[in-house]
Amino acid sequence: DTGVSQNPRHKITKRGQNVTFRCDPISEHNRLYWYRQTLGQGPEFLTYFQNEAQLEKSRLLSDRFSAERPKGSFSTLEIQRTEQGDSAMYLCASSFMNPGETQYFGPGTRLLVL
Amino acid sequence: GENVEQHPSTLSVQEGDSAVIKCTYSDSASNYFPWYKQELGKRPQLIIDIRSNVGEKKDQRIAVTLNKTAKHFSLHITETQPEDSAVYFCAAEGNTPLVFGKGTRLSVIA
Repeated sequence: DTGVSQNPRHKITKRGQNVTFRCDPISEHNRLYWYRQTLGQGPEFLTYFQNEAQLEKSRLLSDRFSAERPKGSFSTLEIQRTEQGDSAMYLCASSFMNPGETQYFGPGTRLLVL
Repeated sequence: GENVEQHPSTLSVQEGDSAVIKCTYSDSASNYFPWYKQELGKRPQLIIDIRSNVGEKKDQRIAVTLNKTAKHFSLHITETQPEDSAVYFCAAEGNTPLVFGKGTRLSVIA
């Protein structure tokens, strides 16, 4: 499968714990995006990378969230000190570099914070 | 920043009828407008997109129209089939990364 992959697919954690998610983009894609999606809503932009550079972060992104893409390939999203409000689907997408390029989504990681 | 409004939030049609979903956006700099379909428990998948230098685009039973002056764009699905049942999201991109609408849940009744 040459599409975007994400691991784990599901994560249940207790409030206060740290969690880390991984995204493997389509290999030729320069850009990698992270989104959060809650029930009944569209994906909400969190941050994106062009190669290894993190170019933009949403103002809504708490300091507890950090993302990396150290070698310009896979990316990790870490949430520290999780809160119940962090429960959501975390989606990763990738695309080529030019504006207006199609973003291809991964299957997502569903996080439940108890 | 960009704001995308999508209507209706739910839509039920009889199989074979047409479905229309409408979106408006606020940022006149937006120039790329994709539509995604998301089935229950699955990832969003692009079904069609349009760029600001085009007013209409069609792909078999699906078409999208764009009115840049009015800042709105619409998805048209003709001859709907039960497998068209899903949540559809519009989005806009320009100076900001993709901003999505809240989605339309389409139910096609056989």
